[in-house]
Amino acid sequence: DAMVIQNPRYQVTQFGKPVTLSCSQTLNHNVMYWYQQKSSQAPKLLFHYYDKDFNNEADTPDNFQSRRPNTSFCFLDIRSPGLGDAAMYLCATSRDRSRPSSYEQYFGPGTRLTVT
Amino acid sequence: SQQGEEDPQALSIQEGENATMNCSYKTSINNLQWYRQNSGRGLVHLILIRSNEREKHSGRLRVTLDTSKKSSSLLITASRAADTASYFCATEGGGTSYGKLTFGQGTILTVHP
Repeated sequence: DAMVIQNPRYQVTQFGKPVTLSCSQTLNHNVMYWYQQKSSQAPKLLFHYYDKDFNNEADTPDNFQSRRPNTSFCFLDIRSPGLGDAAMYLCATSRDRSRPSSYEQYFGPGTRLTVT
Repeated sequence: SQQGEEDPQALSIQEGENATMNCSYKTSINNLQWYRQNSGRGLVHLILIRSNEREKHSGRLRVTLDTSKKSSSLLITASRAADTASYFCATEGGGTSYGKLTFGQGTILTVHP
């Protein structure tokens, strides 16, 4: 009965080799988020989708892109991973975002990315 | 700019004791949320307190919010070894920040059996 699923849980990629992380949800939530969390640091929002509306954070590097083909799935693409991109990548969902809805976010277990 | 600062960075207590973690933030908020993260895992939502609320309880958790001081505290009563985890506060702002959370650095709680 997992609600936010991330695959794979662990991903190893080579420096500069494109990699895609996936997230799916069974909650039918409008909003999906991608966070980057480096070791012993706070999760940092990269971008989010409100339905099909993509919202990029101002300081998210161009190297990071995202796709949301339907309500259930969202992908994080790293075009040319660098050593500094090694981190835990967390996907989250929430019910709404268009007004002060005060909804919590539901997180997946994360994908730990290693760059060699 | 970072919104939340948490204090202490690490807390070590014995089972049965209470644990208090504090969070401060810089700008106005719509709500403040607390999350828990077990080592190497995703975050789990614990409790949400709105900007017009001062205190909220959920089981062994008690959260307070002081918007005049821009601070919040999380109290875990009668702690258990299973409470060992990292605890993060996260703030949701207003306007274009609706639905976007800014996390603090977290407090690492260790509860010894």
